[in-house]
Amino acid sequence: DAGITQSPRHKVTETGTPVTLRCHQTENHRYMYWYRQDPGHGLRLIHYSYGVKDTDKGEVSDGYSVSRSKTEDFLLTLESATSSQTSVYFCAITPQGRPYEQYFGPGTRLTVT
Amino acid sequence: GEDVEQSLFLSVREGDSSVINCTYTDSSSTYLYWYKQEPGAGLQLLTYIFSNMDMKQDQRLTVLLNKKDKHLSLRIADTQTGDSAIYFCAEKSNTGKLIFGQGTTLQVKP
Repeated sequence: DAGITQSPRHKVTETGTPVTLRCHQTENHRYMYWYRQDPGHGLRLIHYSYGVKDTDKGEVSDGYSVSRSKTEDFLLTLESATSSQTSVYFCAITPQGRPYEQYFGPGTRLTVT
Repeated sequence: GEDVEQSLFLSVREGDSSVINCTYTDSSSTYLYWYKQEPGAGLQLLTYIFSNMDMKQDQRLTVLLNKKDKHLSLRIADTQTGDSAIYFCAEKSNTGKLIFGQGTTLQVKP
């Protein structure tokens, strides 16, 4: 599992509330990613990071922000959750020295009611 | 734009070979990947192939790449019930990002 943990693993929240998902890795990987998985869409990239305080947008970044103040943590924030953000969220890393690979965490299932 | 297409479902009998197909549009793709996802779990990297290769074999898995037709396939020999999962094809685009297909659900019948 490339030493990736995600928290929480499950969350139910109400429309309009802020939500923060955490991705934690223990192996000093520089590159980290947030994806969402929805039926019929596969996985789509939300944001990614290539170092502390260095982040960039993916293809579905609207409504999401990220922060990376430490190498080991990459946070995904939904400032005001909407029902369309109900999804399974996966964090991924690219290992040092293996730039062509990505490994995924176990996922967070988020339901916005 | 970049797009990756897969058929949604494949059913095979235990012991048969499975072939999962994928097409992509980005001719500048450098690497192509196969991931496996079991229920309730994250994606597991199965194998990947560099775009200048035609074939890669890894135990029961064979990846074939037809770069001219932008077609990628994953063959699983002697398919077992433990191979039942969703299989995702992905390409690494020239922007460096992974673009995923919708996933193919493989059902293995005993």
